[in-house]
Amino acid sequence: DGGITQSPKYLFRKEGQNVTLSCEQNLNHDAMYWYRQDPGQGLRLIYYSQIVNDFQKGDIAEGYSVSREKKESFPLTVTSAQKNPTAFYLCASTGGLAGQPSGDEQFFGPGTRLTVL
Amino acid sequence: ILNVEQSPQSLHVQEGDSTNFTCSFPSSNFYALHWYRWETAKSPEALFVMTLNGDEKKKGRISATLNTKEGYSYLYIKGSQPEDSATYLCASRSFQGAQKLVFGQGTRLTINP
Repeated sequence: DGGITQSPKYLFRKEGQNVTLSCEQNLNHDAMYWYRQDPGQGLRLIYYSQIVNDFQKGDIAEGYSVSREKKESFPLTVTSAQKNPTAFYLCASTGGLAGQPSGDEQFFGPGTRLTVL
Repeated sequence: ILNVEQSPQSLHVQEGDSTNFTCSFPSSNFYALHWYRWETAKSPEALFVMTLNGDEKKKGRISATLNTKEGYSYLYIKGSQPEDSATYLCASRSFQGAQKLVFGQGTRLTINP
């Protein structure tokens, strides 16, 4: 079945450690996204990538890094520079026709809940 | 950064009643407005993508309207059922932006049996 997988579902990290969240899709989508959700807030964009080997900062990129070496994969690293990393992280992808609004429809993974101890 | 606002933040509705909630977004450089439903323990799923002023879309008992001139969209649920309980997210994309959406904070809907 086509879809987006994120692992792990729950992740615990000690302060000062970097941690990498996995996101894989087999939808053959070009664009991939990372969002963060905090209680009472909407989804905030961390990074996005519209094509392999290219990515752009979103609204809250500080303390995060990404790579896009393969079309299927868009891992997110939460670095020790991120001041408040405890949150729920969602990965998404889009793959519709370029220039068509329906092409922006986002398909989401199940999310990873990161807790910093 | 676009500012997308949703109201109310949460809503409790009796089973069988109809309800609606609002998404407001900047009307300048508007490109598309999305609605997603996010059930607990599941991933958000797309409901509608709307682009034209006056657009109305319908999926079963759920429908949405769009006013791009004044920058708002309404989502309606007719005859609410317990399975409608979810957080409803709207998101906007502008022409100036890259292929990315700005999300509102969501409306959390609870249907009371």
